[in-house]
Amino acid sequence: GESVGLHLPTLSVQEGDNSIINCAYSNSASDYFIWYKQESGKGPQFIIDIRSNMDKRQGQRVTVLLNKTVKHLSLQIAATQPGDSAVYFCAENWGLKNAGGTSYGKLTFGQGTILTVHP
Amino acid sequence: DAGVIQSPRHEVTEMGQEVTLRCKPISGHNSLFWYRQTMMRGLELLIYFNNNVPIDDSGMPEDRFSAKMPNASFSTLKIQPSEPRDSAVYFCASTLKGGNQPQHFGDGTRLSIL
Repeated sequence: GESVGLHLPTLSVQEGDNSIINCAYSNSASDYFIWYKQESGKGPQFIIDIRSNMDKRQGQRVTVLLNKTVKHLSLQIAATQPGDSAVYFCAENWGLKNAGGTSYGKLTFGQGTILTVHP
Repeated sequence: DAGVIQSPRHEVTEMGQEVTLRCKPISGHNSLFWYRQTMMRGLELLIYFNNNVPIDDSGMPEDRFSAKMPNASFSTLKIQPSEPRDSAVYFCASTLKGGNQPQHFGDGTRLSIL
């Protein structure tokens, strides 16, 4: 029979353009958010993170924006390069803590967005 | 620095056989996570450990799946007996104590059950 898989959102851009990848998260109590990049045959690779007490954080060529009002997270990649082609996942930490008050670090992942950069 | 190390990278076996996947977390990390990734379901958390103790195994699909962490530097995920629907890529990740730190992933084990 026909197999049905996840239909991931896709974004195609030209090399040198800026890319914006969006993510809607689920839990208003989440206190920590991460963006990961996954290339074929590899595990998710950490790109950038942001805590809930911030609304913007910048890294090298990447910026993460957090809008807690609408539970929205975005990743902006400047001057996108072919090597940026990958699946991008957002993840949220629901803030589960042990009896001592330390976060377990458990993450909930989004479904991912496929970014394709054309030379 | 060595990242999370998983073995084997690929495993092909016949249904009914026992499969053991291995993970060495990053030294000093005290939380370890096992995930399964498929086209159908994406990335699913199976189980996670904190200080070698299983905290939440609600993601483990069936009793055929079990995971152990005998010490801070080693964990196994076992499937017995294996079935074709267990075919997937299995990832291990670890994170530094204290939470609110990024999880660091291994490159996974691609498991195919025939």
